[in-house]
Amino acid sequence: GENVEQHPSTLSVQEGDSAVIKCTYSDSASNYFPWYKQELGKGPQLIIDIRSNVGEKKDQRIAVTLNKTAKHFSLHITETQPEDSAVYFCAAVQTSLQGAQKLVFGQGTRLTINP
Amino acid sequence: GAGVSQSPSNKVTEKGKDVELRCDPISGHTALYWYRQSLGQGLEFLIYFQGNSAPDKSGLPSDRFSAERTGGSVSTLTIQRTQQEDSAVYLCASSLWSYQETQYFGPGTRLLVL
Repeated sequence: GENVEQHPSTLSVQEGDSAVIKCTYSDSASNYFPWYKQELGKGPQLIIDIRSNVGEKKDQRIAVTLNKTAKHFSLHITETQPEDSAVYFCAAVQTSLQGAQKLVFGQGTRLTINP
Repeated sequence: GAGVSQSPSNKVTEKGKDVELRCDPISGHTALYWYRQSLGQGLEFLIYFQGNSAPDKSGLPSDRFSAERTGGSVSTLTIQRTQQEDSAVYLCASSLWSYQETQYFGPGTRLLVL
């Protein structure tokens, strides 16, 4: 089955600096890679996603890159702000032999922005 | 508009008791998902509904766990004979149709088994 590895598990950066979180996946058939942000006491919320037909996608201060050959994708946050502090999860779609699909999540990265 | 709601928000129960967790998805969303999140851990897939049917139950940890969805809307996750290792936050999400769309998560039910 799909295995999604995420690192680092914790990340602390100074406000204004950039943060990068990386994920690797095992299922070469994966074609959808979302990133979710979870604030304390809340459910995760989608912040950006990328599909396998593109290599990079940007939305203001957030960007995601995908390398299908190497089976890894990364989240980049520029000009970090205190409100970026949260736990971030990457995910990839796993397809079973029976054709059923599900999202498999990484273990999460706790990002702390220091003022 | 209304998002995904879950109830109760917190549940404390004694080992061996049954519990029922409820999820109200966004109106019109066909797909519904249950996940479990243990303290400081990632999201563990439990079950997925497409309409009222569950094509993928592979994530249910044991036969003590069951789930149903009625009327293509509300879903309940039932845990029988709860164990301490069942303590976790149970998250529900819904999407319009499939996995390759935004999943909207509820706030979760925090379950503590004493």
